[in-house]
Amino acid sequence: GAVVSQHPSRVICKSGTSVKIECRSLDFQATTMFWYRQFPKQSLMLMATSNEGSKATYEQGVEKDKFLINHASLTLSTLTVTSAHPEDSSFYICSANQGGTGELFFGEGSRLTVL
Amino acid sequence: GENVEQHPSTLSVQEGDSAVIKCTYSDSASNYFPWYKQELGKGPQLIIDIRSNVGEKKDQRIAVTLNKTAKHFSLHITETQPEDSAVYFCAASWGGKLIFGQGTELSVKP
Repeated sequence: GAVVSQHPSRVICKSGTSVKIECRSLDFQATTMFWYRQFPKQSLMLMATSNEGSKATYEQGVEKDKFLINHASLTLSTLTVTSAHPEDSSFYICSANQGGTGELFFGEGSRLTVL
Repeated sequence: GENVEQHPSTLSVQEGDSAVIKCTYSDSASNYFPWYKQELGKGPQLIIDIRSNVGEKKDQRIAVTLNKTAKHFSLHITETQPEDSAVYFCAASWGGKLIFGQGTELSVKP
């Protein structure tokens, strides 16, 4: 299947700092990527839809100024958690839609720990 | 919006037995229903999917059934093995997005 790569896989930062997570589609072009957040033993909650060349679409309750999304190319989307706080500690997962099939392929996730 | 309910939340079976996980969805416009397997500390991996024009799909030990009238779909795993132990998520498409169920933690005991 298609490959989606996320980096970094783990990151620890101090409260108040910003953290950037990258999501890359390695063998296909993705005009749309999705960012999910997953707390321990919970389901995946969609945060935002990242659209190549345009602004991201955020789900209700997700602060767009805190979670900055940039989709600068057809193979790369980035999520920046700004002024991180301990409550932002979570597993962040990106996914990409390969073509028009509707199939969604996920990255391996990035575990953020904010001290 | 779309709501997906998944049951059971935990499931424990003996190796070799079958496991069934069920999901219901609310929006009849949904037409794509994938199932994902997530191992600890990793991202979800697509294991099988079904579209609304098909009632059943099988891939070796894994099968999915869809009842559009009742708006529910199920994952069936036969001849379970310890390596099947993981968290399984169902999902339903809605407005170009995927809405996930709550997850089922499957434990296969040797």
